[in-house]
Amino acid sequence: GQQLNQSPQSMFIQEGEDVSMNCTSSSIFNTWLWYKQEPGEGPVLLIALYKAGELTSNGRLTAQFGITRKDSFLNISASIPSDVGIYFCAGAYNFNKFYFGSGTKLNVKP
Amino acid sequence: DAGVTQSPTHLIKTRGQQVTLRCSPKSGHDTVSWYQQALGQGPQFIFQYYEEEERQRGNFPDRFSGHQFPNYSSELNVNALLLGDSALYLCASSLAAGLAGIDEQYFGPGTRLTVT
Repeated sequence: GQQLNQSPQSMFIQEGEDVSMNCTSSSIFNTWLWYKQEPGEGPVLLIALYKAGELTSNGRLTAQFGITRKDSFLNISASIPSDVGIYFCAGAYNFNKFYFGSGTKLNVKP
Repeated sequence: DAGVTQSPTHLIKTRGQQVTLRCSPKSGHDTVSWYQQALGQGPQFIFQYYEEEERQRGNFPDRFSGHQFPNYSSELNVNALLLGDSALYLCASSLAAGLAGIDEQYFGPGTRLTVT
């Protein structure tokens, strides 16, 4: 199946710092989604991207659909303790069949 | 607006047994996808149901089967359980977006299956 490489695997940052994470694929995708998952819960959709080059924001979160259609980036500005969780990227070529990265675990120190 | 719901929350089964998990999609959604999430990993696509038929399938054996009902709810069945089937099983719903279209997927809280 498709391989999605998500990096970094984990991050330890201070409250107030900005965060960047990315996801790369071996194949092109038509859609990228970014999710956040907290312990014992299902992933929660943060941002959806549908067009190469698209830049979309959701509050302090900003994500971009890479021009090559093989990558996507998520930035979190001015992190706060409730940003703690695991962030997953997911890409699909058609029919809502999404491939997920292995996640970036974010830890925020107050 | 009811989100995606799943039942049961937790389940413990013995090797060789069979299990059925249930999912109700978000209001207005007609497509249900099932994922398996092993500890420390991202979700892996099992299959997707649309118009009561399996439309897409991931790399999972035939022991994994499903069903979608006229009200769009869905079941995931796993036969002959193995220890390696222990995982969080997630259901995601979306709105079909045409032949090759893609739409946002919303996840339920999952069912934690433990096989002993």
